[in-house]
Amino acid sequence: EAGVAQSPRYKIIEKRQSVAFWCNPISGHATLYWYQQILGQGPKLLIQFQNNGVVDDSQLPKDRFSAERLKGVDSTLKIQPAKLEDSAVYLCASSLLSGKGSYEQYFGPGTRLTVT
Amino acid sequence: AQSVTQLGSHVSVSEGALVLLRCNYSSSVPPYLFWYVQYPNQGLQLLLKYTSAATLVKGINGFEAEFKKSETSFHLTKPSAHMSDAAEYFCAVTADYKLSFGAGTTVTVRA
Repeated sequence: EAGVAQSPRYKIIEKRQSVAFWCNPISGHATLYWYQQILGQGPKLLIQFQNNGVVDDSQLPKDRFSAERLKGVDSTLKIQPAKLEDSAVYLCASSLLSGKGSYEQYFGPGTRLTVT
Repeated sequence: AQSVTQLGSHVSVSEGALVLLRCNYSSSVPPYLFWYVQYPNQGLQLLLKYTSAATLVKGINGFEAEFKKSETSFHLTKPSAHMSDAAEYFCAVTADYKLSFGAGTTVTVRA
């Protein structure tokens, strides 16, 4: 079974530039998550999709971050314009369904973003 | 609301020694609890999970954890450390659908 795919693996940009990350979840997984992991911290949920609808985006900085999941499969996360504090690893995860975490989340390798 | 506190950001053990990673949680409703491992430049991998069945949970790679409601703890142990256990470990809790992670504990294994 193929795992969660993410690209690019690494990205370096200057502040005020824009960047986009791509995620392809495990086939058949209805729920997709984007997490931000700042160095020395645990992952923080940015947004959760159920199929192509948003379940939770309460911690997504909507003035600069956007995400979409067209057709309920692949997803992109965009930052525009980037700030220095956006330097982090962006993790994508997927699960069959959601609900009290009883459905295991499978994580991709992440995209390490450095903003200079 | 739910949260997790991992005691100790770094743990160093000798190869063959006991590994003990501490996790305390807070949750207003009965929680599900998880331990994940993250190797360098990789995503998170589930080690084990507690979902209100047996309080002693066995996971992969010889790890196990015990849910203690009275102590609101879910400590992770492995009887004998191996060099391949060097990684970062995260405890996580959920009471609904959202996972809340601790800050992580980095484990180094000395030969």
